[in-house]
Order: sequence, then structure tokens, then C-alpha cells
Amino acid sequence: NAGVTQTPKFQVLKTGQSMTLQCAQDMNHEYMSWYRQDPGMGLRLIHYSVGAGITDQGEVPNGYNVSRSTTEDFPLRLLSAAPSQTSVYFCASSYSGVYGYTFGSGTRLTVV
Amino acid sequence: GENVGLHLPTLSVQEGDNSIINCAYSNSASDYFIWYKQESGKGPQFIIDIRSNMDKRQGQRVTVLLNKTVKHLSLQIAATQPGDSAVYFCAEKPQGGKLIFGQGTELSVKP
Repeated sequence: NAGVTQTPKFQVLKTGQSMTLQCAQDMNHEYMSWYRQDPGMGLRLIHYSVGAGITDQGEVPNGYNVSRSTTEDFPLRLLSAAPSQTSVYFCASSYSGVYGYTFGSGTRLTVV
Repeated sequence: GENVGLHLPTLSVQEGDNSIINCAYSNSASDYFIWYKQESGKGPQFIIDIRSNMDKRQGQRVTVLLNKTVKHLSLQIAATQPGDSAVYFCAEKPQGGKLIFGQGTELSVKP
């Protein structure tokens, strides 16, 4: 099992550009989520999904879109990148959304 | 706004000593708690968890203590090793809610 795979690992964007951060898991987990991590802060939930076709907003959803067309994939889209979105982004999945979260290795995004 | 210059709490210990990392959680309705370890450049890794009906749980070299009266969680690492150097996060899960992560504590192990 690869676990949770995130791509790319690093990305630099110009203000206003759009891009998609990819997340895939091969553990047949129903629950997937995206977090951002900023210096000196804990992980903050952006969006989450409890299963294919179902998504919901987390704590800091503005500026991001998600979709869940398959159980395996949960891409995060930045619609129009802003410097405030410079962060490290983590995707996580779990079987139930309660126990056993597995995190990807992260995508470090810089918006200039 | 921008969070510039925020520094994590830091704990520095000598190799071989025991480490205690503390966490104050916010929601008295939280019924599940997890400790994660995050090494530089990597995602958080599960260490140990505890449910609210317990006050202590032990793993290999790690023990989690839960004090619901004062909403306090601690992680004890026995015989700390250089490989334990990392940022440690606690997370709480309110009933019916989503995981809430703490700020994190940076553990530095001196050889």
C-alpha cells in the first residue's frame, strides 16, 4: 500500500494563477480531508469528504474548491492564488473519520 | 492576517531522559484524543490515542495521560532518543465534530 500520496511536493505560483493539488489513497478510506499548516500554528481543516460525491467545508474553506468523484481521489483546487495561501498543505484519510487518520507527506506551496 | 514570527513551544531534553509534552484542549465534549509526531518535511504520524473513558494508555515507550477535570493531555516518552526529535501535536475530537489540532511542541533531544 502506498497510503496517502500527494503531488506535487513543491509548487510556486504567481498571484492569480490557479492550480490543483492532488491527493490519492489506496486504503479504501471513505473519509478524506485537506489541511493547511502555517508556521507556529496547528493544522487547520479546509475541506473534507465523507464519501464519493459528498464534500463539506472546514474551518478555512475560502479560496479553495474540492470534489470527490471517486473514493480514491480528493483534489484541492486553488481558484485564484493569493500570497495568504502560501502554506504547507496536507491531505489525510481515515476509514471512519474518527479513528486512524493517515497523512500524506505534504505539498509546500508558495504564492508570489 | 499574517502570522509572522510565531514560534512553537520548545522542549529540550538530554538523550536517555524522559520527556513530558503537555497539551491543553478546549472542548469538554471531546471524547477522543490523539498524539501525532511530525518530523521535518513530513506529514504527521500517529503515535497513540486515548478515548475519554480512560485516563491512561501505554504504548511502546510512550504513555498518554488524560485529565478531563482540567482538560489536559500529556505525552510521556521514556528514554528519549535523538530520533524522537520532532514537533508533537495533540488533537481532540468533539462528539460529532472534526479533529481539532493544537499548536504543537517542538522536542529537541541533545545527544
